[in-house]
Amino acid sequence: GAVVSQHPSRVICKSGTSVKIECRSLDFQATTMFWYRQFPKQSLMLMATSNEGSKATYEQGVEKDKFLINHASLTLSTLTVTSAHPEDSSFYICSADDSGGPGYSYNEQFFGPGTRLTVL
Amino acid sequence: KNEVEQSPQNLTAQEGEFITINCSYSVGISALHWLQQHPGGGIVSLFMLSSGKKKHGRLIATINIQEKHSSLHITASHPRDSAVYICAVSHTDKLIFGTGTRLQVFP
Repeated sequence: GAVVSQHPSRVICKSGTSVKIECRSLDFQATTMFWYRQFPKQSLMLMATSNEGSKATYEQGVEKDKFLINHASLTLSTLTVTSAHPEDSSFYICSADDSGGPGYSYNEQFFGPGTRLTVL
Repeated sequence: KNEVEQSPQNLTAQEGEFITINCSYSVGISALHWLQQHPGGGIVSLFMLSSGKKKHGRLIATINIQEKHSSLHITASHPRDSAVYICAVSHTDKLIFGTGTRLQVFP
């Protein structure tokens, strides 16, 4: 199956710093990538939908200035947590849709291994 | 009420037992996914189905569109099957997740 990688797998940072998380589709082109957040023992929460070459669509309650998303190419999306605070500590997961883009029917999503962010 | 409900929330089994995890949903869907999340956090997509039944190794997934219900079965369970199993439905181009079923299989 298709492979999605995330980097870094875990990061510890000081409060007030910014952290960038990369999500790459390794063997397919992903016009759409999704960013999720997961708190301990809870389900995944969709933060935003990232479309290549256009602005991300954020879910209600997610601060777009806090969580900057860039989908610069068909294989790379980045999530930057700006001015991180301890409450931003969480498990961040991306997924990529191999549907081939607008006009194609929905296809399978492939998940990255996740990035555990700890803000001290 | 959640749009995707899973049962049971927690499940323990002895190695070799047959396991069933259930998922019910209340929205229109284009597909249903079963995902596996290991303690390290990484998520693996086990199945995506929109009708009928799929089998992969010891895993079987079924879906009944009319009843809005899906089941994930594990035959001859093994300790390495211990994980959280998540049901997710594709609804208007987004995934809606169930809360997951935590499975522990003991030797």
